[in-house]
Amino acid sequence: SQQGEEDPQALSIQEGENATMNCSYKTSINNLQWYRQNSGRGLVHLILIRSNEREKHSGRLRVTLDTSKKSSSLLITASRAADTASYFCATAPITGGGNKLTFGTGTQLKVEL
Amino acid sequence: DAGVTQSPTHLIKTRGQQVTLRCSPKSGHDTVSWYQQALGQGPQFIFQYYEEEERQRGNFPDRFSGHQFPNYSSELNVNALLLGDSALYLCASSFLPSSDEQFFGPGTRLTVL
Repeated sequence: SQQGEEDPQALSIQEGENATMNCSYKTSINNLQWYRQNSGRGLVHLILIRSNEREKHSGRLRVTLDTSKKSSSLLITASRAADTASYFCATAPITGGGNKLTFGTGTQLKVEL
Repeated sequence: DAGVTQSPTHLIKTRGQQVTLRCSPKSGHDTVSWYQQALGQGPQFIFQYYEEEERQRGNFPDRFSGHQFPNYSSELNVNALLLGDSALYLCASSFLPSSDEQFFGPGTRLTVL
């Protein structure tokens, strides 16, 4: 079963605009990760944020984590056409689950020229 | 340094048949996890192999089985295929089951007719 949901399910923006995606999850976590998937192929790891962190940056990416609300957001600034893809959040369990990931339902981002 | 590789890329089978999918982990990795991603959904964890043993299993029936070889490569076997088994099957590898860092392969697209 899916850990939680992401919203919006789909997002269409113009190149240069910012894109924000949200993720909610259900259980306590060790960390939360964001992945990108192009055209139904393999997953590319974008960023990992641990349960004791509140915000993390990597290039044009900014991730926040609110463990009290069991939610996270991914912000992509100054979007480009190449950012068009599906984005998934995934959570790793707090104990005993190793690095087994539970994924959300994904957000389809389309960046138009 | 080759990343995670999977074969075949695409596969078409009919209901009731059996299928074997293969995964070679990234160099230096000893743990392999398998995920099933149905169209429009996030990946779901099937099972994980480490030291040639199944270490964790998701909510999948016994028709799904696997194997890990001494060189750390892995196979996923699905018996008595159902139409609902049509999906993208993703393999991920890591160094130890506890590692936060894991890499995904490009996937095998299985179509069951």
